[in-house]
Amino acid sequence: DAKTTQPNSMESNEEEPVHLPCNHSTISGTDYIHWYRQLPSQGPEYVIHGLTSNVNNRMASLAIAEDRKSSTLILHRATLRDAAVYYCILLTQGGSEKLVFGKGMKLTVNP
Amino acid sequence: DVKVTQSSRYLVKRTGEKVFLECVQDMDHENMFWYRQDPGLGLRLIYFSYDVKMKEKGDIPEGYSVSREKKERFSLILESASTNQTSMYLCASSFRGEVWAGKFYEQYFGPGTRLTVT
Repeated sequence: DAKTTQPNSMESNEEEPVHLPCNHSTISGTDYIHWYRQLPSQGPEYVIHGLTSNVNNRMASLAIAEDRKSSTLILHRATLRDAAVYYCILLTQGGSEKLVFGKGMKLTVNP
Repeated sequence: DVKVTQSSRYLVKRTGEKVFLECVQDMDHENMFWYRQDPGLGLRLIYFSYDVKMKEKGDIPEGYSVSREKKERFSLILESASTNQTSMYLCASSFRGEVWAGKFYEQYFGPGTRLTVT
């Protein structure tokens, strides 16, 4: 199974954009890139997902490299509420719906 | 708003007790999941149910069983609680995806139950 790697942590400042990287160098053509985040003392929540094209929603944008070996979650204006652990997860077409959470990346947002 | 509720936020049980953790969702989701989360180990899937009375083992099913008698309710059972089952337990639900087409639905998580076994 293709795996993802993320930095252990990142810091950003409030109201500035933040780019959260994820490497998935062994990704296959049928792997979808999903992002979840977990706010302190809460269960994870879905953020965004994509396959090849960049995606936008009300929470974030997902930029996927042309070779798909990496992707970047973009928070356009970080707020204190965005401080969380972010997980980059691959789900395979035709495979299981089970999410496999890695260690994720802790984002700290400074006021 | 989708709601996934868990019966207790905090629970303290003694070693050897039978423990029931209940999860209820109100969105008519087919899929329901139980995870546990431990420091340094992240979230790990215990069991998964894709329909009433159907279940599938996750990555760490040992020491646990599950029950899904109704679509909205998924119970996690610790037959004989042990101290190494002290953990945060998280329930989630989702619509059943069309995985053959690459269509996956987001999972909605409950607030978690912090179980301490003494």
